[in-house]
Amino acid sequence: EVQLVESGGNLVKPGGSLRLSCAVSGFTFSNAYLSWVRQAPGKGLEWVGRIKSESDGGAADYAAPVKGRFIISRDYSKDTLYLQMNSLKTEDTAIYYCTTENTMMGLSSDYWGQGTLVTVSS
Amino acid sequence: SYVLTQPPSVSVAPGKTATITCGGNNIGSKSVHWYQQKPGQAPVLVIYYNSDRPSGIPERFSGSTSGNTATLTITKVEAGDEADYYCQVWGSSSLNWVFGGGTKLTV
Repeated sequence: EVQLVESGGNLVKPGGSLRLSCAVSGFTFSNAYLSWVRQAPGKGLEWVGRIKSESDGGAADYAAPVKGRFIISRDYSKDTLYLQMNSLKTEDTAIYYCTTENTMMGLSSDYWGQGTLVTVSS
Repeated sequence: SYVLTQPPSVSVAPGKTATITCGGNNIGSKSVHWYQQKPGQAPVLVIYYNSDRPSGIPERFSGSTSGNTATLTITKVEAGDEADYYCQVWGSSSLNWVFGGGTKLTV
């Protein structure tokens, strides 16, 4: 059974930093494309970024609002995805979901974690 | 950047057919994915590659694309289908996934 479990969400002041984790199980971690999607309170879904599989080079792409502030990485020894968030702004307040992108299904997000809440406020 | 436009809300009576649209420039040339999100839950993929259903998704859910519009159709709508629905495409020129603003389906 595929499972994604996010953690690390918290209350942080503007300008601060936070690192989210997503522990994955039930599939071959190194073969997976993984992404972060966020949802501000009462708003729609917003893609944050993704990291490619190891065999496809493992590079990361980012949405414009977070580029230069957020870094996506993965630890192959721990089967864990990370989102390092720096220079946080109030508009980064959201539930953050990690997802798998299925290469056989057009890179659609076929599995999602339960989400972790990040609140940026003074 | 690529923009996807969805109606904010759609209402349908139980047993009838719901149609949710997603507008985008030449979206018919792209692969469109659709997600269902119920209150307090993570999204669930219901359609990928415009019209394919993941395992476990009822045949009542179908998708299509043409020109500047992608459409999610739900036949014989049930109370349990009440949710927010989002379309998604890859904005190839900007190298990012784009979501529509979401449509709240009320049954």
